[in-house]
Amino acid sequence: EDQVTQSPEALRLQEGESSSLNCSYTVSGLRGLFWYRQDPGKGPEFLFTLYSAGEEKEKERLKATLTKKESFLHITAPKPEDSATYLCAVQAGGYQKVTFGTGTKLQVIP
Amino acid sequence: DTAVSQTPKYLVTQMGNDKSIKCEQNLGHDTMYWYKQDSKKFLKIMFSYNNKELIINETVPNRFSPKSPDKAHLNLHINSLELGDSAVYFCASSQIGDAGELFFGEGSRLTVL
Repeated sequence: EDQVTQSPEALRLQEGESSSLNCSYTVSGLRGLFWYRQDPGKGPEFLFTLYSAGEEKEKERLKATLTKKESFLHITAPKPEDSATYLCAVQAGGYQKVTFGTGTKLQVIP
Repeated sequence: DTAVSQTPKYLVTQMGNDKSIKCEQNLGHDTMYWYKQDSKKFLKIMFSYNNKELIINETVPNRFSPKSPDKAHLNLHINSLELGDSAVYFCASSQIGDAGELFFGEGSRLTVL
């Protein structure tokens, strides 16, 4: 069965203090790995799709990278508005089902 | 112009009652989903429909019955509610074949007393 483990569960950063979130996965034939952002009381918002090891995607202060076993979401010089829960998900090849991790709750303090 | 809208946002009800949640998407997507997010924020797929056809049914009790009258709507009816059904239920949609690039509604928080 597909598994996704995210670490740390929670992360507190000072504004401007860069860090990384980890997503380790086990899947039979990765079709895609996805990052989402979820604000309190809202639905998850899609951020990135990564398809193969070595791929990188960037959006503002966020950069997602992918290896054969894990993905990292790097946050450079975060701002308080980056505070949210970040979810990672994987999709196995040839299958429509997506498996989510339990997320990392990020708090950025001014 | 909400892309995926679901109603109601909050439901509070007694054990044993029946409730429904409605979902509509205006993105022109062919695939719609119901996800359940528990108190630990774990998000798990329940059902998936492609063009009104049930594609995924993830070991969900048969008290849960989805219905898709057309590809823009997906409703969820829950019979005989139990305490363990308390959760946030999210509707989502995607282009066919892009099951990982989901557009979520804001969620319906169900509390069973």
